[in-house]
Amino acid sequence: DVVMTQSPLSLPVTLGQPASISCRSSQSFVFSDGNTYLSWFHQRPGQSPRRLIYKVFNRDSGVPDRFSGSGSGTDFTLRISRVEAEDVGVYYCMQGSHWPWTFGQGTKVEIK
Amino acid sequence: EVQLVESGGGLIQPGGSLRLSCAASGSTISGFSMNWARQAPGKGLEWVAYIMGSDDVIYYAESVKGRFTISKDIAKNSLYLQMNSLSAEDTAVYYCARSSGLYWGRGTLVTVSS
Repeated sequence: DVVMTQSPLSLPVTLGQPASISCRSSQSFVFSDGNTYLSWFHQRPGQSPRRLIYKVFNRDSGVPDRFSGSGSGTDFTLRISRVEAEDVGVYYCMQGSHWPWTFGQGTKVEIK
Repeated sequence: EVQLVESGGGLIQPGGSLRLSCAASGSTISGFSMNWARQAPGKGLEWVAYIMGSDDVIYYAESVKGRFTISKDIAKNSLYLQMNSLSAEDTAVYYCARSSGLYWGRGTLVTVSS
C-alpha cells in the first residue's frame, strides 16, 4: 500500500496569514494514464469531507483560489494564501492511483 | 445537483450483519466510480470498497475483504454495502462517495457493540 504521511499534524494559524501542509508518499503513484491522482480534502467537525484539489493542482468547482496544490513524485503541498475563519478543520491528502486508495493521517488547522 | 443519501446504519451486535444503502439523485451513478468510505470515531478516513463500470470492477480494503460486499442497482440509482461478521473495529460513520471523492453523502453511523 502507498503510505501517505502528512506534516504537521496540528497547525495553529493566524487569520490572514498563509498556511502550508506537506504530504509525502512512500512511493510514487503515477497511474497508467500518466496522471498522479493526488487529492486534498477538507473536513469540518461533524461534516462530510469536501474535495478541494484533484490531480495535484486542480481546484474543484467553487473552491476559493486561496487554496493551491503543488508537488510531484512523492512530495506534495497544500497552500492557503490567506487563512480565513471558515478554513478551520482537518485536511487530508489522498492518493487515488492505486487501490487501496489511501489518506494521510490528517492535519488539524485551528486559529491561534 | 448531485446528492447522495446513506441509510441503514444503527446498533448491531458483534457477529451481526447490516446492509447500507446510498440513494443518488441529480445524476445517474452509471459510468462513475462509486465508493464506500468510513471514519471511526475521532479517527481518519478509510476507503472501504470501490465499484466501477458496466462490468463492475470491484475492490475492497483488506480489513473488510471477505466480509463486505459492494453492489449497485442502476435502475434504482443506488449503491449498497452488505456487511457481515461485524466487529467493534467496524464501528464508524460510513460514507457513500462518487467520482473519487468529488461527491459525498452525510454518512450513516454503524455501531457494533453488545
